[in-house]
Amino acid sequence: AQSVAQPEDQVNVAEGNPLTVKCTYSVSGNPYLFWYVQYPNRGLQFLLKYITGDNLVKGSYGFEAEFNKSQTSFHLKKPSALVSDSALYFCAVRVSLGNTDKLIFGTGTRLQVFP
Amino acid sequence: EPEVTQTPSHQVTQMGQEVILRCVPISNHLYFYWYRQILGQKVEFLVSFYNNEISEKSEIFDDQFSVERPDGSNFTLKIRSTKLEDSAMYFCASTDLGGNSPLHFGNGTRLTVT
Repeated sequence: AQSVAQPEDQVNVAEGNPLTVKCTYSVSGNPYLFWYVQYPNRGLQFLLKYITGDNLVKGSYGFEAEFNKSQTSFHLKKPSALVSDSALYFCAVRVSLGNTDKLIFGTGTRLQVFP
Repeated sequence: EPEVTQTPSHQVTQMGQEVILRCVPISNHLYFYWYRQILGQKVEFLVSFYNNEISEKSEIFDDQFSVERPDGSNFTLKIRSTKLEDSAMYFCASTDLGGNSPLHFGNGTRLTVT
């Protein structure tokens, strides 16, 4: 079955430091991977996606993610964290079956950035 | 930027009652979804909808659930007889091309079943 795993429930980082939120995937075929962010009482906002091409994908708010095929990972990164980055982050994989398509989400990682 | 809008933002209902959650997807989108999230935890797929019919549904989406696109703009989720365990945030999402295109999510409806 196609899935993503987020091994950390929470990540704590000091403002100004680099951050990494981990995601690993298990798919058959080429993976289509996504990162979303959820702020309190809001829906999920799209950050970035990997479909094909460069392994380093740049997205919104200064975030980027690195696709690593050998390690089956798609970690989210930012060089310098902001307090306002504190939120819940979800990794997702596209799952296709015939003419249906959906995203399957990981369990989420809560990012806490301390001033 | 166009948005997916959901109403109401919060719905409280008694066990056994019917509820209808409403969504207005982005106007040129063709693929529609409902997801739910219990207590800020995992986001679970419920159902996908395309070309006026259900494309796929999960095990959660049993006979108590139904979806409709009654007028070409609204996309509704109905729960016929609510249970306590239906309490969750329900998110509507839409996309234009499907597949590689990201899903755009609404802000959700918090359903509380008492």
